[in-house]
Amino acid sequence: SQQGEEDPQALSIQEGENATMNCSYKTSINNLQWYRQNSGRGLVHLILIRSNEREKHSGRLRVTLDTSKKSSSLLITASRAADTASYFCATGVGSSNTGKLIFGQGTTLQVKP
Amino acid sequence: NAGVTQTPKFRVLKTGQSMTLLCAQDMNHEYMYWYRQDPGMGLRLIHYSVGEGTTAKGEVPDGYNVSRLKKQNFLLGLESAAPSQTSVYFCASSRRTGDGWSYEQYFGPGTRLTVT
Repeated sequence: SQQGEEDPQALSIQEGENATMNCSYKTSINNLQWYRQNSGRGLVHLILIRSNEREKHSGRLRVTLDTSKKSSSLLITASRAADTASYFCATGVGSSNTGKLIFGQGTTLQVKP
Repeated sequence: NAGVTQTPKFRVLKTGQSMTLLCAQDMNHEYMYWYRQDPGMGLRLIHYSVGEGTTAKGEVPDGYNVSRLKKQNFLLGLESAAPSQTSVYFCASSRRTGDGWSYEQYFGPGTRLTVT
């Protein structure tokens, strides 16, 4: 079963615009992570936010977490063509000594030059 | 420092054949994972390991077996391949941070498997 649901499934914007992707989940979590996947490649970790944090920044990335609503958002500011990729949220669930993640279905982002 | 590597990159099997996918990591990570990725389905966890000699089932373990005889290697076996196992397989590894909370996973490049 899928824990995370991402919205939108696909997003197309112009270079320089901001991109916002949302993730909702069903059960309690110990952390939430965002990953990027370029076409035909493996996933690359972007940012991790713990369940007791509300917001985190990393370069042009801003992640928020609302545990009361069981949702998170990823904001990419001033997007570039190189940001074109699929973005996945992943929730850390279960006991803290397994590191298991459950991935959402992803948002496909296209940034037009 | 190669990170996580996977062998082979591509494979075509006939129904009923067997094969083993090899994952190797050189980061001294304790934890390793096998996922499959199907169109529109995201990644689903097949099996995972929290240390040498230990394995556990994930979300979709049926039809697969794994072994972790050495810390740096995690093998995924298909004993009798079926067309439903056509997928892209990803291996990942992670370490446990000092406070025990958080785990970022490092992924290999994937193995594209087709079962005809």
